[in-house]
Amino acid sequence: GEDVEQSLFLSVREGDSSVINCTYTDSSSTYLYWYKQEPGAGLQLLTYIFSNMDMKQDQRLTVLLNKKDKHLSLRIADTQTGDSAIYFCAENKGNTPLVFGKGTRLSVIA
Amino acid sequence: DAGVIQSPRHEVTEMGQEVTLRCKPISGHDYLFWYRQTMMRGLELLIYFNNNVPIDDSGMPEDRFSAKMPNASFSTLKIQPSEPRDSAVYFCASSPGQVSSYEQYFGPGTRLTVT
Repeated sequence: GEDVEQSLFLSVREGDSSVINCTYTDSSSTYLYWYKQEPGAGLQLLTYIFSNMDMKQDQRLTVLLNKKDKHLSLRIADTQTGDSAIYFCAENKGNTPLVFGKGTRLSVIA
Repeated sequence: DAGVIQSPRHEVTEMGQEVTLRCKPISGHDYLFWYRQTMMRGLELLIYFNNNVPIDDSGMPEDRFSAKMPNASFSTLKIQPSEPRDSAVYFCASSPGQVSSYEQYFGPGTRLTVT
């Protein structure tokens, strides 16, 4: 099965909040990441959180981490059409490359 | 810095032909990664290099795929012979430090279509 799991699609109305969820499997992961992929482009780091944190806020973005349940979420407040993209959750596993989920395609309806 | 550069951006080829994808990482980055992205399988890591040396190629799907990094500023991913199921977007990414603790910087990708 997938190491990192995400739902594949999410649709929200402009101005609403979006919540993208992710579950990971390695409790020893020290960093967890959210990457954004806009149409026709590569992935770009959006934000990350250290495993000793529960929450990180950066302008419209809020990352919540529940280590007990190995659950990570990304909340986008006041979602805009420019937020339409694929969002990837990723975890590190020590001295190995990042493990990415399959990505959640966010569609914002005007 | 121009970021990670990939060429070509689009490639259309016929089954059986050789395909070479190219990547120039960000100067000073020690790690280089090749990924393949499809709707069905998502983002797959094919191979990665550290200081031009291949570290893990377990993601390379078949012997038809090969990757090289002759110097710190250039890498190629070759498919010979190509097949329709190789159609995908191929990304190159580079990273400045320890494998998973640093941000990976992705190129714009090469969209490969094999007919």
